[in-house]
Amino acid sequence: EDQVTQSPEALRLQEGESSSLNCSYTVSGLRGLFWYRQDPGKGPEFLFTLYSAGEEKEKERLKATLTKKESFLHITAPKPEDSATYLCAVQADVGGGNKLVFGAGTILRVKS
Amino acid sequence: NAGVTQTPKFQVLKTGQSMTLQCAQDMNHNSMYWYRQDPGMGLRLIYYSASEGTTDKGEVPNGYNVSRLNKREFSLRLESAAPSQTSVYFCASSRGPTGNTIYFGEGSWLTVV
Repeated sequence: EDQVTQSPEALRLQEGESSSLNCSYTVSGLRGLFWYRQDPGKGPEFLFTLYSAGEEKEKERLKATLTKKESFLHITAPKPEDSATYLCAVQADVGGGNKLVFGAGTILRVKS
Repeated sequence: NAGVTQTPKFQVLKTGQSMTLQCAQDMNHNSMYWYRQDPGMGLRLIYYSASEGTTDKGEVPNGYNVSRLNKREFSLRLESAAPSQTSVYFCASSRGPTGNTIYFGEGSWLTVV
């Protein structure tokens, strides 16, 4: 069974304090790993897609990396506006269809 | 720049009532999805439509039905609402059925009392 586990469940940082969020996955034939940001009362907003181990992508203060068993979302010098829930999802190569399996998310709070 | 639009935003139902959540996308996407989000459980797929004219069950389809009305619209119906269906519902779409980014709507908050 495909599984996605995100840690920590919640993370509090001071402004400027860099850290990483973890997404561990178990999937048969990874088609892609997706990172989303979700603000309270809003839908998930797409950040990155990673397709193969060793791949990295960056956007402003965020950098996503992928290994064969996990992905990290590194946040460098975060600002209060980076506060959100970060969701990780995987697409498996089983049964066809673009069915994403999501983790429960990491709630990030950045204090000024 | 609408993307994926869902209605209604908020709804309160009594147990046993029925209702339909409407969803439309303006990105000319072929595939559409309905997810529900519950605290601590992440997003779970209810139904999806890989292309116009097709629908398939996801992880949690019981108690729901869907209709892919045309390429733009994908509705979710609760025939007899139950308190366990209290959740936030998200419609989403993607260009194709595999390997494409999925884009989400803003959500519909449903409470069943």
